[in-house]
Amino acid sequence: DTGVSQDPRHKITKRGQNVTFRCDPISEHNRLYWYRQTLGQGPEFLTYFQNEAQLEKSRLLSDRFSAERPKGSFSTLEIQRTEQGDSAMYLCASSKDLSGYNEQFFGPGTRLTVL
Amino acid sequence: AQSVTQPDIHITVSEGASLELRCNYSYGATPYLFWYVQSPGQGLQLLLKYFSGDTLVQGIKGFEAEFKRSQSSFNLRKPSVHWSDAAEYFCAVGARGSARQLTFGSGTQLTVLP
Repeated sequence: DTGVSQDPRHKITKRGQNVTFRCDPISEHNRLYWYRQTLGQGPEFLTYFQNEAQLEKSRLLSDRFSAERPKGSFSTLEIQRTEQGDSAMYLCASSKDLSGYNEQFFGPGTRLTVL
Repeated sequence: AQSVTQPDIHITVSEGASLELRCNYSYGATPYLFWYVQSPGQGLQLLLKYFSGDTLVQGIKGFEAEFKRSQSSFNLRKPSVHWSDAAEYFCAVGARGSARQLTFGSGTQLTVLP
């Protein structure tokens, strides 16, 4: 069990550029979550997948954001036409889909800085 | 909608002293409650969780938390703090809907003095 991994760990981009982040969940986990964490705040839910299906999206996820999980394994989060307000830590988490509530395991995050 | 309040932005304690971090939640039903710890450059690590049953829950690294329904609180405690406990601590409530996403508080930064 290698845990949840995210790539890259850091990304610096200029305003208006597109960026894409990758998350590799724990292998047997079929639920995958994206959260965003800004400085001095707790993580905020963005979206989640069950297998390859994106089942819920937060109002925080504007039209410039898109997430995919094409084969129910890794996921990508793309931000188009980045803005300075997009600067944040983007966290991925995964869990098993069992009855009841199951622990979400978090990755180390991708820190995005938009200049 | 659910919400979590952590009233203390920053707490400083001496090594060996006891610790209590406060957490208040708002949720319309019996909540799922969690405490996570985040060290610089690290992801969030689960310390403990409450789903039901015994209101005093034990976690890793010597932490415990008590669920008090009447006060809508889930405070985190440790009897003797170690320098390695310095980190940011987040309380979270889990939704009971299909997404089961977590709603986090804004965190408490813990500094441990030698």
